[in-house]
Amino acid sequence: SAVISQKPSRDICQRGTSLTIQCQVDSQVTMMFWYRQQPGQSLTLIATANQGSEATYESGFVIDKFPISRPNLTFSTLTVSNMSPEDSSIYLCSVEKGAQGYGYTFGSGTRLTVV
Amino acid sequence: GNSVTQMEGPVTLSEEAFLTINCTYTATGYPSLFWYVQYPGEGLQLLLKATKADDKGSNKGFEATYRKETTSFHLEKGSVQVSDSAVYFCALRLSGSARQLTFGSGTQLTVLP
Repeated sequence: SAVISQKPSRDICQRGTSLTIQCQVDSQVTMMFWYRQQPGQSLTLIATANQGSEATYESGFVIDKFPISRPNLTFSTLTVSNMSPEDSSIYLCSVEKGAQGYGYTFGSGTRLTVV
Repeated sequence: GNSVTQMEGPVTLSEEAFLTINCTYTATGYPSLFWYVQYPGEGLQLLLKATKADDKGSNKGFEATYRKETTSFHLEKGSVQVSDSAVYFCALRLSGSARQLTFGSGTQLTVLP
């Protein structure tokens, strides 16, 4: 399976600022997925990032708030813009490596606290 | 739409007790099914998976069988250990171009010595 390096692992940010989260994969993958895990809750998909095209956002998430870059097949960034305390969550990137059902690998997560 | 419904927690068991965490799903087509585990302070890890009906996924003493007739993928372990304390997530992935995972709400398991 793939190995994902995600950073930062945690950050405390002031409201109104932005934070960019990076994910580096040790092999080329077509799709990268960005999830949010709010405190005590399950994972919710934010968007799917394909190399060379615009990210596809899920209902309730917009590009202006969560811009995503995917400059190549091994790297992606998610920016949380104009943050408010409601954005305090764990943000995770994920990739699927191999054939269908092979399995997904997750980054270790970025624990964001907005004060 | 597609969804995963998990047994509500938290679940507290004594060491060596039998564990069942229920998971049912709603999906179009034939999804692959997964159990993920999140240990305290750590990231999500794949525990086991099944890709078609009647498949049994197993790992670390945990098992789950893909039951198409009941649309279920219940997680079981015959004898839990304190080290199994974690949050367990059931998830599905549809075939085709939509390759993201849909997660259940998660079940917090605490095993007491």
